[in-house]
Amino acid sequence: GQQVKQSSPSLTVQEGGILILNCDYENDMFDYFAWYKKYPDNSPTLLISVRSNVDKREDGRFTVFLNKSGKHFSLHITASQPEDTAVYLCAAGEGQGGSAKLIFGEGTKLTVSS
Amino acid sequence: EAAVTQSPRSKVAVTGGKVTLSCHQTNNHDYMYWYRQDTGHGLRLIHYSYVADSTEKGDIPDGYKASRPSQENFSLILELASLSQTAVYFCASSDPGSNTGQLYFGEGSKLTVL
Repeated sequence: GQQVKQSSPSLTVQEGGILILNCDYENDMFDYFAWYKKYPDNSPTLLISVRSNVDKREDGRFTVFLNKSGKHFSLHITASQPEDTAVYLCAAGEGQGGSAKLIFGEGTKLTVSS
Repeated sequence: EAAVTQSPRSKVAVTGGKVTLSCHQTNNHDYMYWYRQDTGHGLRLIHYSYVADSTEKGDIPDGYKASRPSQENFSLILELASLSQTAVYFCASSDPGSNTGQLYFGEGSKLTVL
């Protein structure tokens, strides 16, 4: 089964709006959580990541919230901009720096309309 | 600049033929990975490697072999290509000691099996 799951295949938001992308996972041992951004015909790039010893990490307009008891983490984007239009992939892993055997969700296609 | 480069970037293969996708990294990273991207599935891990001359099976290894002859190089081999292996393949590397746990992806290799 899918160990890391994103609930929304696609989302649309107006420019300047706030949006939340959600991700659920199954493995209790996961202790590293990340969001990657991917433009069409480009490779994924890391947007923001967090380890399980904190429940929130903020980087500019992007904040990741972690709910370990609920096996859920989310990405909040404020003041959305047209250049935020992309596919967002959540990912989770365990141990050894967290990046070993990272498991990705299916992706959420975000469209920011102006 | 540190980079992950894949070759070929695009390939058309015939069913039953052999395909080799190559990946070279100059990041001096220990970990390397092969993922495939399909619509609706995000990125799925095929094979990965922690060290040269050793490979591990990921979540979808059937029909694929991997080879890590050196720290810099990691190949994905399809001995008998099938239609279902049409996809975009991404190679990535990571440093297990990294604070961010970031995966650095190559540009992707688009494989079409006819």
